[in-house]
Amino acid sequence: GENVEQHPSTLSVQEGDSAVIKCTYSDSASNYFPWYKQELGKGPQLIIDIRSNVGEKKDQRIAVTLNKTAKHFSLHITETQPEDSAVYFCAARTYGGSQGNLIFGKGTKLSVKP
Amino acid sequence: NAGVTQTPKFQVLKTGQSMTLQCAQDMNHNSMYWYRQDPGMGLRLIYYSASEGTTDKGEVPNGYNVSRLNKREFSLRLESAAPSQTSVYFCASSARGVESEQYFGPGTRLTVT
Repeated sequence: GENVEQHPSTLSVQEGDSAVIKCTYSDSASNYFPWYKQELGKGPQLIIDIRSNVGEKKDQRIAVTLNKTAKHFSLHITETQPEDSAVYFCAARTYGGSQGNLIFGKGTKLSVKP
Repeated sequence: NAGVTQTPKFQVLKTGQSMTLQCAQDMNHNSMYWYRQDPGMGLRLIYYSASEGTTDKGEVPNGYNVSRLNKREFSLRLESAAPSQTSVYFCASSARGVESEQYFGPGTRLTVT
């Protein structure tokens, strides 16, 4: 089955710096890769996603890149702000059952220091 | 719209007790999901319902049962709770299956002693 590895597990940056979180996946059939942000005490929230027919996608300060050959994808946050502090999860769509499901990485706790 | 609501927010059970976690969404979504979140483990899918009337097992279904009561509601039942089921449980819904955005509820923190 699909396995998603996420690194680093913790990341601390200064406000205004960039942050990069990387994930690798094992199933070459996976074709959908969302990123979720979870603030303390809340449920995860989708921040950006990418499909396998696209190499890069941007939304303001957030971008995701996908390398299908190497089976890895990354989240890039530029000009970080204190409100970016949260736990970030990557996920990959796996195929199985009636519709398949998402396999999540173990999360990266991002701390942005003012 | 309230989005995805979950009850209760907190629960403490003794080993062997049973309980049902309730989830409801008001977004007219077809698909609903139950996840558990443990420290350092990310989110793991317990069960999901692609559409009203269907349910399927996820990664970690043992010890749980689900009911898709109607399009709005999807409940998770623990028949005989075990300490290994101590976790935070999240319900989620999506409009068109796993490749559309999943909206998560606020979670239920369950402790089994």
